[in-house]
Amino acid sequence: AQSVTQPDIHITVSEGASLELRCNYSYGATPYLFWYVQSPGQGLQLLLKYFSGDTLVQGIKGFEAEFKRSQSSFNLRKPSVHWSDAAEYFCAVGARGYQKVTFGIGTKLQVIP
Amino acid sequence: DSGVTQTPKHLITATGQRVTLRCSPRSGDLSVYWYQQSLDQGLQFLIHYYNGEERAKGNILERFSAQQFPDLHSELNLSSLELGDSALYFCASSADSEINIQYFGAGTRLSVL
Repeated sequence: AQSVTQPDIHITVSEGASLELRCNYSYGATPYLFWYVQSPGQGLQLLLKYFSGDTLVQGIKGFEAEFKRSQSSFNLRKPSVHWSDAAEYFCAVGARGYQKVTFGIGTKLQVIP
Repeated sequence: DSGVTQTPKHLITATGQRVTLRCSPRSGDLSVYWYQQSLDQGLQFLIHYYNGEERAKGNILERFSAQQFPDLHSELNLSSLELGDSALYFCASSADSEINIQYFGAGTRLSVL
């Protein structure tokens, strides 16, 4: 069965600092990987996705993520965080031809001035 | 705007009651997913419908049921409500493809008093 681990429940960073949110997945074959963001009171919005090819993927709002098969990881990064990035971030894993997507528990990001 | 519409936005009801949550998927999307998000459980997959047929079940209680209608909108019925059913309920939709990108609605916040 596929699973996702987001080891950090809460992270606090200063505005302008770099950010890395960790995600580890468990799946037997090549996974499809996603990062979603949820602003307070809102639904989840897709930030970026990895299906195949280049292991460094670019997303919206200046985010990127790198797929590392050897580490079963798909960490989300941003070089300089803005106050508007404060939200909850969810990593998710799916599989080709199989419609279920499994979400991690989420990481809440707080941005301080 | 994801294109997924959920109504109502907020619902307040009493224990023992029954409610219906409604979801209209993005135009052309055949799949609808329902999720429950609570503080202690995170984002839990409930059920998936594809073109009117149930495809997968997750952690859905027997008191809960769902259906997808010929026009592809979906309803989630929650009955014999308990205090613990208070949560955000999200609907997501995706196109019929092997790559399962889900687009989320803004959610329905259910408060059971």
